[in-house]
Amino acid sequence: DVKVTQSSRYLVKRTGEKVFLECVQDMDHENMFWYRQDPGLGLRLIYFSYDVKMKEKGDIPEGYSVSREKKERFSLILESASTNQTSMYLCASTEANYGYTFGSGTRLTVV
Amino acid sequence: DAKTTQPPSMDCAEGRAANLPCNHSTISGNEYVYWYRQIHSQGPQYIIHGLKNNETNEMASLIITEDRKSSTLILPHATLRDTAVYYCIVRAQTGANNLFFGTGTRLTVIP
Repeated sequence: DVKVTQSSRYLVKRTGEKVFLECVQDMDHENMFWYRQDPGLGLRLIYFSYDVKMKEKGDIPEGYSVSREKKERFSLILESASTNQTSMYLCASTEANYGYTFGSGTRLTVV
Repeated sequence: DAKTTQPPSMDCAEGRAANLPCNHSTISGNEYVYWYRQIHSQGPQYIIHGLKNNETNEMASLIITEDRKSSTLILPHATLRDTAVYYCIVRAQTGANNLFFGTGTRLTVIP
C-alpha cells in the first residue's frame, strides 16, 4: 500500500512562528500536493509539485511556501503563522493522475 | 474542471445498498469521474473512478449515465464504517494535477 506520512497529527504554534509541516511518500510518486480543509469550504489547494525542485501555486498560496528537495518529501512552510492559518492540512501524492493517496492530516492551531 | 452537485446528506440502513448521486452536467469529453470519501478526522480515501463505462472494484460500483452528465456511486452492503463524507470530482487526466473537492455528501449508515 502507498503510504503518505505527515509528521504530526496535532500541532499548536504561536502567532509569528515559522512552521514546517512535513510529508513523506514511499511509492516514488512524482506529484505531491498540499491542501487545507476548513468547515464549509472543502479542500483548497495551497501548492503542488510535479518533480523535485519544481513547485506550482495552487488556489491559496499566500502566506505559504514549499520545498521539494527530494522526490519523497514535500514540505509546507508557514513563514509567519497567523491565526487564520488554523486549519487541517492534508498532503497527497499521485502518479499518472490515478487515485490520489492522502496522509492522515495535521491539525494546526495557531494561538 | 467541471463542477459537481451532490446532495448534502443521506441516510442508509446497515446492510442495504447506498446509492450516492452526483450531477456533472458540464463534464467534458476528456474528464473522468472520481469518487473519494473522508471519514472523520482522516485524510480523503480514493474509492473509484471512470470515464464512460461502469466500473466496479472491491469497495464500490460506479454507474455513469450514457450522456455522462451524472453518475451514481453504489456501496452494495453499507456498514457503519462507511459513514463518511463522499466527494464526487470530475477532472481531466492531463493538464494541471489538481482535484477540486466540493462539499460532498455526508452519508450516515444507521444500525
